[in-house]
Amino acid sequence: QSVLTQPPSVSAAPGQQVAISCSGSGSNIGINYVSWYQQLPGTAPKLLIYEDNKRPSGIPDRFSGSKSGTSATLGITGLQTGDEADYYCGTWDSGLSAEMFGGGTRLTVL
Amino acid sequence: QVQLVESGGGVVQPGRSLRLSCAASGFTFSSYGMHWVRQAPGKGLEWVALIWYDGSNKYYEDSVKGRFTISRDNSKNMLYLQMNSLRTEDTAVYYCARRAPRTYAVDVWGQGTTVTVSS
Repeated sequence: QSVLTQPPSVSAAPGQQVAISCSGSGSNIGINYVSWYQQLPGTAPKLLIYEDNKRPSGIPDRFSGSKSGTSATLGITGLQTGDEADYYCGTWDSGLSAEMFGGGTRLTVL
Repeated sequence: QVQLVESGGGVVQPGRSLRLSCAASGFTFSSYGMHWVRQAPGKGLEWVALIWYDGSNKYYEDSVKGRFTISRDNSKNMLYLQMNSLRTEDTAVYYCARRAPRTYAVDVWGQGTTVTVSS
């Protein structure tokens, strides 16, 4: 069981928007930056959001991140079929001295 | 371009050893902390180990402590994972990944190498 809790799955229609939550604690999300990763089927993960809400070069602004207290949220607007993937939150846990990933959320674009 | 290429995966019997390698290119390897992250078939990402940019500090996930050793050779731009006393539950794709300074994001990932532990 992951220290960071994500919903197993979310779904929405093309063009709609979704929000994926990531719940942690005071030793991880509460004090460290959160990142989000996208893993398309059969590929390696890719950094989507870093420092809670920043996008690396090349990531469209349809993807956004936010954080409040010990929870973080990934938002995706204007859903496309190409967005179907597994999404993971991640952060450092200062109490455990370990990198933590959420259990992952599978996005289905209906 | 920035690239991480893993090698050394394969099929191994329980209790045996395997060493994974990761060749880094396109960036100043000696300036970055490096992770190993694994993904069992059909499962999520699981962090395995972290080594600081200079090798001075190493951290491990509890289930691999005492069995796995992360190391690096900055003169060769190489990262390693020595895996001993392998168990069936270590079966996974193993990714080499770069840790961004300050933000700690895992900002570059390799393509992965597959380790299968089976008798």
